Amino acid sequence: EAGVAQSPRYKIIEKRQSVAFWCNPISGHATLYWYQQILGQGPKLLIQFQNNGVVDDSQLPKDRFSAERLKGVDSTLKIQPAKLEDSAVYLCASSPGGLAGIKTQYFGPGTRLLVL
Amino acid sequence: AQKVTQAQTEISVVEKEDVTLDCVYETRDTTYYLFWYKQPPSGELVFLIRRNSFDEQNEISGRYSWNFQKSTSSFNFTITASQVVDSAVYFCALSVPNTGNQFYFGTGTSLTVIP
Repeated sequence: EAGVAQSPRYKIIEKRQSVAFWCNPISGHATLYWYQQILGQGPKLLIQFQNNGVVDDSQLPKDRFSAERLKGVDSTLKIQPAKLEDSAVYLCASSPGGLAGIKTQYFGPGTRLLVL
Repeated sequence: AQKVTQAQTEISVVEKEDVTLDCVYETRDTTYYLFWYKQPPSGELVFLIRRNSFDEQNEISGRYSWNFQKSTSSFNFTITASQVVDSAVYFCALSVPNTGNQFYFGTGTSLTVIP
């Protein structure tokens, strides 16, 4: 079974530029998550989708971050404009089933973003 | 509020030594799940184990074992006879059904196994 795919793996941009990350979850997984992991810290949830609907985006900086999951499969996370403090690893995860009960999350390899 | 504490920031051991990674959690919910993930230098978080709050049985999987104690709100992870390939950052996480399956991660413990 293929795992969670993410691209690009690495990205270097200058501040105020825009950047987009792509995630393809495990086939059949209804729930998709985007996390931000700053060096030396644990992952922080940015947004959670259930199919193509948003379940939780309370920690997403909506003035500069946006995410969508059209058709309930692939997802894109965008930052516009980027700031220095956005330098981090952006992890995508997916889990099977609906919101009821607890489902193990499976993570992709992440995208390492460096903002100069 | 939910919280996970991993007090050990970095640990170094010599190969073949045993090592225990500590995890202490906080939640007022009676139903919750605990997880351990491994993050090697490649960056991907690899799922290791999931336990629910109603099952305090310890678990062993090869060189890995987990000790879940509700009385002390701890879910510790022991690696027996450590190997260089065990070098990674290990994260403990808590999930509560009432929060929509949101994960609360600790800050991680960086383990270095010296050959």
